[in-house]
Amino acid sequence: GESVGLHLPTLSVQEGDNSIINCAYSNSASDYFIWYKQESGKGPQFIIDIRSNMDKRQGQRVTVLLNKTVKHLSLQIAATQPGDSAVYFCAESTGGGNKLTFGTGTQLKVEL
Amino acid sequence: KAGVTQTPRYLIKTRGQQVTLSCSPISGHRSVSWYQQTPGQGLQFLFEYFSETQRNKGNFPGRFSGRQFSNSRSEMNVSTLELGDSALYLCASQPEGGPLTGELFFGEGSRLTVL
Repeated sequence: GESVGLHLPTLSVQEGDNSIINCAYSNSASDYFIWYKQESGKGPQFIIDIRSNMDKRQGQRVTVLLNKTVKHLSLQIAATQPGDSAVYFCAESTGGGNKLTFGTGTQLKVEL
Repeated sequence: KAGVTQTPRYLIKTRGQQVTLSCSPISGHRSVSWYQQTPGQGLQFLFEYFSETQRNKGNFPGRFSGRQFSNSRSEMNVSTLELGDSALYLCASQPEGGPLTGELFFGEGSRLTVL
């Protein structure tokens, strides 16, 4: 069945370092993969997405990599800042529309 | 532009009761989705509405229902509440009805506690 999982539940990084958050997925038919950030007490916030026909996409300080061969997705955050502290979710779009399957989430902690 | 507004933000109910949650999407957004978030199950898709029609439905029992009005506002209802229904219920809207964009705009959620 469809499943999206994360390798690490918690990631601690030093301020200024780069962060890499990983995600595995199982549905090779997924068309879109998306990263969301959720801060405490707030709803998830869209970060970046990538189509299944792409390998890499860059945004402001963030890069998403997609490896379809091993069904792996990663989010790289450059020069991690305290404001980046949050839970990060990967999600995949299945069946069209806005039905997203979310991963379990990774807590990113930025240490000063 | 105002964001997605969900009411109420917090509520407490007892087992067997029912609850109705409301969501006002961003102005101009026509698609509204609902998700349940719990520590154990994470974020799970409930349903999606577009132009007052349910377009997608997740794997939840029939006690969970929803609807969308002509102004795109949406409500979800949970009947015969169970302890396991305690969760953060998130509403998300999207500007277009087309698929595969990935970018949803979430509200801050309605925190439901069932005693």
